[in-house]
Amino acid sequence: QKEVEQNSGPLSVPEGAIASLNCTYSDRGSQSFFWYRQYSGKSPELIMFIYSNGDKEDGRFTAQLNKASQYVSLLIRDSQPSDSATYLCAVNAASNTGKLIFGQGTTLQVKP
Amino acid sequence: DAGVTQSPTHLIKTRGQQVTLRCSPKSGHDTVSWYQQALGQGPQFIFQYYEEEERQRGNFPDRFSGHQFPNYSSELNVNALLLGDSALYLCASRPAGTRLGGYTFGSGTRLTVV
Repeated sequence: QKEVEQNSGPLSVPEGAIASLNCTYSDRGSQSFFWYRQYSGKSPELIMFIYSNGDKEDGRFTAQLNKASQYVSLLIRDSQPSDSATYLCAVNAASNTGKLIFGQGTTLQVKP
Repeated sequence: DAGVTQSPTHLIKTRGQQVTLRCSPKSGHDTVSWYQQALGQGPQFIFQYYEEEERQRGNFPDRFSGHQFPNYSSELNVNALLLGDSALYLCASRPAGTRLGGYTFGSGTRLTVV
């Protein structure tokens, strides 16, 4: 079992729709969770982080965390073609808060 | 305010050679981590530096070593390069005192080993 799992996609949604990206993790002691966006050929850019169970909203983005189910998700409302990128889920290792464990990323395609 | 800066941007090396990659963290950041990202994969943690010492290390061989300087900048050294070391090498920094905080990534160094 991978430590952080994501569906590689591609996930294709029409412009204006809600994109839902999912991530599961194996270490129950993990304390903080991050979503990074990575455009092709570029470096990861932090877009959301969440520490507590529940929802956290920032503009068109909502991160959801369920520690009991070891599940993190990212919702993107009113998706735009500029949102087309790879979305990386990252988890802070419980044993080492300096180490981020990344999933392989989900490729999102927003079609005009 | 400059973000995390890395040099060089691209590098081509021959198998068996040695390479040094450089990173300057964002202003106010004192913790630096290095990651390796192969094509189509998520970044893999190499090691973390804080107060000029290697604090944590991922599953990478001793061929990978690093250093942090008093001004918080850092170097990643890779000896005896293998074809499999071809990847995007990312430096990431975070502010002092943020134990659970997210990292800001630099633009990366694309290393090709031929």
